[in-house]
Amino acid sequence: NAGVTQTPKFQVLKTGQSMTLQCAQDMNHEYMSWYRQDPGMGLRLIHYSVGAGITDQGEVPNGYNVSRSTTEDFPLRLLSAAPSQTSVYFCASSLATGSVYEQYFGPGTRLTVT
Amino acid sequence: AQSVTQPDIHITVSEGASLELRCNYSYGATPYLFWYVQSPGQGLQLLLKYFSGDTLVQGIKGFEAEFKRSQSSFNLRKPSVHWSDAAEYFCAGITDSWGKLQFGAGTQVVVTP
Repeated sequence: NAGVTQTPKFQVLKTGQSMTLQCAQDMNHEYMSWYRQDPGMGLRLIHYSVGAGITDQGEVPNGYNVSRSTTEDFPLRLLSAAPSQTSVYFCASSLATGSVYEQYFGPGTRLTVT
Repeated sequence: AQSVTQPDIHITVSEGASLELRCNYSYGATPYLFWYVQSPGQGLQLLLKYFSGDTLVQGIKGFEAEFKRSQSSFNLRKPSVHWSDAAEYFCAGITDSWGKLQFGAGTQVVVTP
């Protein structure tokens, strides 16, 4: 299994540009999520999905859109990039252990918005 | 508000010395707690988890953590650190069944020769 994969690894955008960060998992996990990591703030949840066709907002959803058309893929869209979205983005997927989810993280995408 | 707090931003430890990283939680119910490690430029790797039962939890890479309800703490320990333990460590908690992790701000560990 490849686990959780993310592309691209690095990206530089200009303010106002749009892009999609890709995330895929091959573990048949129902739960997938997106986090952003900023210095001194740990990881903060952007959006999550509990299954195909179901998404919900996390702690910091503004400026980001998601969709979940398949179990495997959970792309994150930036419609109009802003410098405040400069961050490292991690995708995670979860296997249910009882009623609790253990999350497996991808390698991250480092995004810079100029 | 529910939260996880890591009081130490940065810790320096000598190779071979013991390490303890602090984590405090603030939840109404007993949370499910996790420790993750992030090596430079890498994603997060799960070290150990606490769901219920024994309060001393063993993890990978020789780490252990102790859940103390009376102190609302879940501190991570290692008896003897190796240079490869230099990394950032995150404590995280969940209280809902949908697995929305809340992370602490992280503790950067530097290992000196």
